[in-house]
Amino acid sequence: AQSVSQHNHHVILSEAASLELGCNYSYGGTVNLFWYVQYPGQHLQLLLKYFSGDPLVKGIKGFEAEFIKSKFSFNLRKPSVQWSDTAEYFCAVTALRGGGNKLTFGTGTQLKVEL
Amino acid sequence: DAGVIQSPRHEVTEMGQEVTLRCKPISGHDYLFWYRQTMMRGLELLIYFNNNVPIDDSGMPEDRFSAKMPNASFSTLKIQPSEPRDSAVYFCASRWLYTGELFFGEGSRLTVL
Repeated sequence: AQSVSQHNHHVILSEAASLELGCNYSYGGTVNLFWYVQYPGQHLQLLLKYFSGDPLVKGIKGFEAEFIKSKFSFNLRKPSVQWSDTAEYFCAVTALRGGGNKLTFGTGTQLKVEL
Repeated sequence: DAGVIQSPRHEVTEMGQEVTLRCKPISGHDYLFWYRQTMMRGLELLIYFNNNVPIDDSGMPEDRFSAKMPNASFSTLKIQPSEPRDSAVYFCASRWLYTGELFFGEGSRLTVL
């Protein structure tokens, strides 16, 4: 079964700082990868997704993620964070064969951006 | 489309009572998922359906939990009897297979006293 690890549980940054959140998954086959964001009191929303092709994926609000197959990683980045990026970020993976098409989430990273 | 619709948004009940959470997926989506979110355990997949058929219910905590999907536009998650440790936000999500993207409802916040 697939699993997802997010090593940073809490991250505090100042505005304009650069962001990188780590995500590693365990599954040897083909995967679809996602980053979701949950703003305080709201539901999860899709930030970006990777299915195939260019391993550098650009999403909404200036976020991007890079799929490195050899490292089983899909790290999320943003060059300059804003206070409004304060939220919880979830990495997720769907294993396309053998995974039953279910989406498995990491434990989340709580990001706080200070003014 | 109105998105995934869940009800109730908030439920406060007493231990031992039956709780029913409802979900209307996005029209045309053939997968429906129930997740539970707590501070301690994060986001847990409880059960998911494909074309109204339960595919994997291995995440359902125990027999007190049950879920049904009688048709393509409606699903319920029932807890009977409820316990304080069931307090959480329960999210329903749906997707169309080929997009892979899950669309989440606003969640149902359950508090069991």
